Amino acid sequence: NAGVTQTPKFQVLKTGQSMTLQCAQDMNHNSMYWYRQDPGMGLRLIYYSASEGTTDKGEVPNGYNVSRLNKREFSLRLESAAPSQTSVYFCASRYGTSGGALHEQFFGPGTRLTVL
Amino acid sequence: KNQVEQSPQSLIILEGKNCTLQCNYTVSPFSNLRWYKQDTGRGPVSLTIMTFSENTKSNGRYTATLDADTKQSSLHITASQLSDSASYICVVSADNQFYFGTGTSLTVIP
Repeated sequence: NAGVTQTPKFQVLKTGQSMTLQCAQDMNHNSMYWYRQDPGMGLRLIYYSASEGTTDKGEVPNGYNVSRLNKREFSLRLESAAPSQTSVYFCASRYGTSGGALHEQFFGPGTRLTVL
Repeated sequence: KNQVEQSPQSLIILEGKNCTLQCNYTVSPFSNLRWYKQDTGRGPVSLTIMTFSENTKSNGRYTATLDADTKQSSLHITASQLSDSASYICVVSADNQFYFGTGTSLTVIP
């Protein structure tokens, strides 16, 4: 049982390049999330998917796209990377589909992205 | 605006001592409040989850309290250990979203 896995662990991009961050969970969770964490700021939600086939914008969606490929996988794409997207990206998943549900949210190990 | 504020920003304590971390929030409508521990270079790990009706919840040496009237929570760590060195994050849930505090960085020294 690997939990939540993310690839790659580290990435350096040049401005304008594109890339996709991959996330997978093996806990049969319904909801999946993408966050970014910047120094001095709390984790901020980029996009989330409450169930397979649905995605919704979070607090900071601009410059990102997501795909809920199936129940296990949720990818985050940067079409044209900018230095402002330098951050640590975390994927998370949980069984519940609403914020009121008390199911624990499990986080992946993070992807450290630098955009030059 | 939905916000979660934590204090202090950082804290250094001696091994074996107790400490208390604070969390104030303005998130509405409130669903639940969570405390997470984040070790350097890793993702956050859940410590406690509390609903509106719960005042206290413990997880080993970690005890969280919640005062929903004043919108305040605290995390008390008893008999600290070197492995408690980490960032502690308060998270408040509302509707389908989670609002994260910036965390308190705790360093436990021998």
